[in-house]
Amino acid sequence: EAGVVQSPRYKIIEKKQPVAFWCNPISGHNTLYWYRQNLGQGPELLIRYENEEAVDDSQLPKDRFSAERLKGVDSTLKIQPAELGDSAVYLCASSLDYGRETQYFGPGTRLLVL
Amino acid sequence: DQQVKQNSPSLSVQEGRISILNCDYTNSMFDYFLWYKKYPAEGPTFLISISSIKDKNEDGRFTVFLNKSAKHLSLHIVPSQPGDSAVYFCAASGKSNDMRFGAGTRLTVKP
Repeated sequence: EAGVVQSPRYKIIEKKQPVAFWCNPISGHNTLYWYRQNLGQGPELLIRYENEEAVDDSQLPKDRFSAERLKGVDSTLKIQPAELGDSAVYLCASSLDYGRETQYFGPGTRLLVL
Repeated sequence: DQQVKQNSPSLSVQEGRISILNCDYTNSMFDYFLWYKKYPAEGPTFLISISSIKDKNEDGRFTVFLNKSAKHLSLHIVPSQPGDSAVYFCAASGKSNDMRFGAGTRLTVKP
C-alpha cells in the first residue's frame, strides 16, 4: 500500500513569492491534515479536512495561506506571499477517519524562504 | 501554549540498555496518547499508543506507561538498538482536541 505522497520535497523561494505544496493521502483515508513543523519543534496543525470539507482551519493564517481538497482526495496548500518566517517543513498526514485513528505522515516539504 | 512537553532534547544510551523517553502534558482533557518516531528526511511514523483507561501498553521492545495523576507518560525501549536512533515525538489528543505534539527527543543508541 502506497503511503502519503508529497511534492515537492524541497523548495527554495524568495520572500513575497507564492508557493504551493501537494499531498496525495493514502487511498481510502477520509481525513487529511496539514501540519507545519518549525526547526526544533513538533508538528503543529494548520488545517484538517474530512473528505472535501475543511472542518478545522483555526490555526491557518488566512491572510496568506489557503488550502483546498477537491473531490476529497488530494490536497494543495498555498502560501501567497511567502514570508521569511514561513521557512519550515510542511507535513501532510491522513487517517481513515477523525478521532482515535492513527495518522500517517508523508515525508514533508522543506521550505526555505530567502 | 505548549500543552505537551518533552523536556529532554536529546538522550544517548548504549546498545542493549534501556532507553526511557519522557513526556508531560497539561491539558486534563487529553485521553489518548501516542509516540511517533522520525528519521531524517522522513515524516513521523506511528510507534505505539495508549488510552487513558490504561496505564501500560506494550508492543515488543516498546512499552508506554501513563501516569494520569502526574500527567506524565514515558516510552521504554528495551533492549535499545542502533536502528532506534531517531527523534521521538510524544503526542496527545482528546475528544474535542486535535493532536498536540511535543518538541521531540533525539535518541542516539551507540553500538
